Amino acid sequence: QVQLQESGPGLVKPSETLSLTCIVSGGSVNSDSHYWSWIRQPPGKRLEWIGYIYGSGSTYYNPSLKSRVTMSVDTSKNQLSLRLSSVTAADTAVYYCVRGACNLSCYQHYHFDVWGRGTLVTVSS
Amino acid sequence: DFVMTQSPDSLAVSLGERATINCNSSQSVLYSSNDKNYLAWYQQKPGQPPKLLIYWASTRQSGVPDRFSGSGSGTDFALTISSLQAEDVAVYYCQQYYSTPRTFGQGTKLEIK
Repeated sequence: QVQLQESGPGLVKPSETLSLTCIVSGGSVNSDSHYWSWIRQPPGKRLEWIGYIYGSGSTYYNPSLKSRVTMSVDTSKNQLSLRLSSVTAADTAVYYCVRGACNLSCYQHYHFDVWGRGTLVTVSS
Repeated sequence: DFVMTQSPDSLAVSLGERATINCNSSQSVLYSSNDKNYLAWYQQKPGQPPKLLIYWASTRQSGVPDRFSGSGSGTDFALTISSLQAEDVAVYYCQQYYSTPRTFGQGTKLEIK
């Protein structure tokens, strides 16, 4: 059974870069039928999709965050990373690492079937 | 972007009674080539991550009790709990995966009356 575990600093200063990692256990980031996303949830607000990455390293980011987001994958460590630059208080949220289902070769993406427990990141001086 | 709007924002239902949550998409999420609705429902209990309940608008995820059902097509969908149990208290979200960026509804908080 695949499990996802996010980790990273719980407090980041405004204008700095938020960096999180997600360790994938019980499965491979190189799966042919899955992709990986980061999703965040600001306090009291709806879930916001940040983007996705394949085990190959190909990415797609939400246009609303594209200029500040970088996702990467380390297949040797079976882990994913998220970097969000120039953060403000509006980036305060619980950040989730999430697995998405897709068809073979992933040219079609489907629902999110496995979620990490999430990690709270607060942006404050 | 596809805007997902849920109604109501909150709902109080008696134990054993039916609960229905609605979700409207600003554009159709029905993919004509395979006749599937690209819509999912998630349940989020306090302090926990969202959990997948329903995908393809009406397919229950493995292990989800059969009192949960999804219906609808195109732009209008519903999640129904046929007989509310205490453990069903949660916030429920709909989400479309027809288009990027993926978007979620604002959530519906379900409580016991």
